[in-house]
Amino acid sequence: EAQVTQNPRYLITVTGKKLTVTCSQNMNHEYMSWYRQDPGLGLRQIYYSMNVEVTDKGDVPEGYKVSRKEKRNFPLILESPSPNQTSLYFCASSLSPTATGTREDTQYFGPGTRLTVL
Amino acid sequence: AQSVAQPEDQVNVAEGNPLTVKCTYSVSGNPYLFWYVQYPNRGLQFLLKYITGDNLVKGSYGFEAEFNKSQTSFHLKKPSALVSDSALYFCAVSLTGGGNKLTFGTGTQLKVEL
Repeated sequence: EAQVTQNPRYLITVTGKKLTVTCSQNMNHEYMSWYRQDPGLGLRQIYYSMNVEVTDKGDVPEGYKVSRKEKRNFPLILESPSPNQTSLYFCASSLSPTATGTREDTQYFGPGTRLTVL
Repeated sequence: AQSVAQPEDQVNVAEGNPLTVKCTYSVSGNPYLFWYVQYPNRGLQFLLKYITGDNLVKGSYGFEAEFNKSQTSFHLKKPSALVSDSALYFCAVSLTGGGNKLTFGTGTQLKVEL
């Protein structure tokens, strides 16, 4: 089954304690992305990756890091989390960057990670 | 810069009635337009997209959307709403040749009641 998995699904942590949210896709997609979802703001892109070892900033990259050492994995790293990073995080992958190919070329989203930073 | 506006935070409709969820966009070029749906505690699921060609796009679960270039709109429609359609709907836009940039609206909560 084609899917994007994220772990953990829920996380409560304290300010300053480094954490990593993992993301993995089994569709051999080149393009992966991280979003955060906040009430009234919709989804905002944090970082994206066009391929292995190719990453770039999205709209709200401050306080986050990513890496893409393997095609299937795209972890999101918070080196020193702060309360304003409390949010719902989604990883997504697609065949092409803008998912504008065939009908099957669309962004597949993971189930989300709800992060609370105290 | 590109942007998407979903002017209604919530839309209420009776089951069996037609529904419309509004979306307008702003890009400096030819847009690609998308609709996604989010059910509680789930990730976003793709509904449909407009790339080029026919302005009326048909998608999953009986939904359709019409691209209107002059009004810069891409409203989501369904002829007969179901209670199971109740969810959060997001419109998104990207720009032709714009690389990875996918910009989402703030979402519209659809509530279908018996």
